[in-house]
Amino acid sequence: AQTVTQSQPEMSVQEAETVTLSCTYDTSESDYYLFWYKQPPSRQMILVIRQEAYKQQNATENRFSVNFQKAAKSFSLKISDSQLGDAAMYFCAYRRPGSTLGRLYFGRGTQLTVWP
Amino acid sequence: DVKVTQSSRYLVKRTGEKVFLECVQDMDHENMFWYRQDPGLGLRLIYFSYDVKMKEKGDIPEGYSVSREKKERFSLILESASTNQTSMYLCASSLLGPNQPQHFGDGTRLSIL
Repeated sequence: AQTVTQSQPEMSVQEAETVTLSCTYDTSESDYYLFWYKQPPSRQMILVIRQEAYKQQNATENRFSVNFQKAAKSFSLKISDSQLGDAAMYFCAYRRPGSTLGRLYFGRGTQLTVWP
Repeated sequence: DVKVTQSSRYLVKRTGEKVFLECVQDMDHENMFWYRQDPGLGLRLIYFSYDVKMKEKGDIPEGYSVSREKKERFSLILESASTNQTSMYLCASSLLGPNQPQHFGDGTRLSIL
């Protein structure tokens, strides 16, 4: 089975500051897909951002960006100008190439607290 | 917007009961998934399905079965509920394709007494 590791069970950040959540993964493939999902207290998982391994440019979605280091198998999420609504559990996920079945492998999550 | 609806937000059942968790999606997605979420363990895949009447085991299928009689509906069945199946259950769906995101329901918090 694929391994996705989120080494920070909990993180906290002051409102308006920047925080980076870490994710590493284990794979022998050269092409794959990576995702960050957010789960707020309301419980519904929401896609934050996705990255295709063959694209060297780091994905960006508004205040959310990733630092994708393919050689290091690292996929960290940076949240800029943190807002109270960013408080949530964040999950990193990996998908193998050629996987039309869409199976994802998730990390154990990082609980982000945002302080006013 | 994609809507994935899980039949119950909270459910309490007794040991030994047969429990059905229902999931319906309204976007004609081929793939559907059932996960179990426990604190400190993240999401673990129980079963998934890529077509009507097709199913594949995930990482923790023991004690569970699934049914997909219609494309929009994917049911998770606890054949004989046990206390160690107390958990949060999440349903998701997606289109075929490796870059297609999964869309999740709100989850069912199941307690087995």
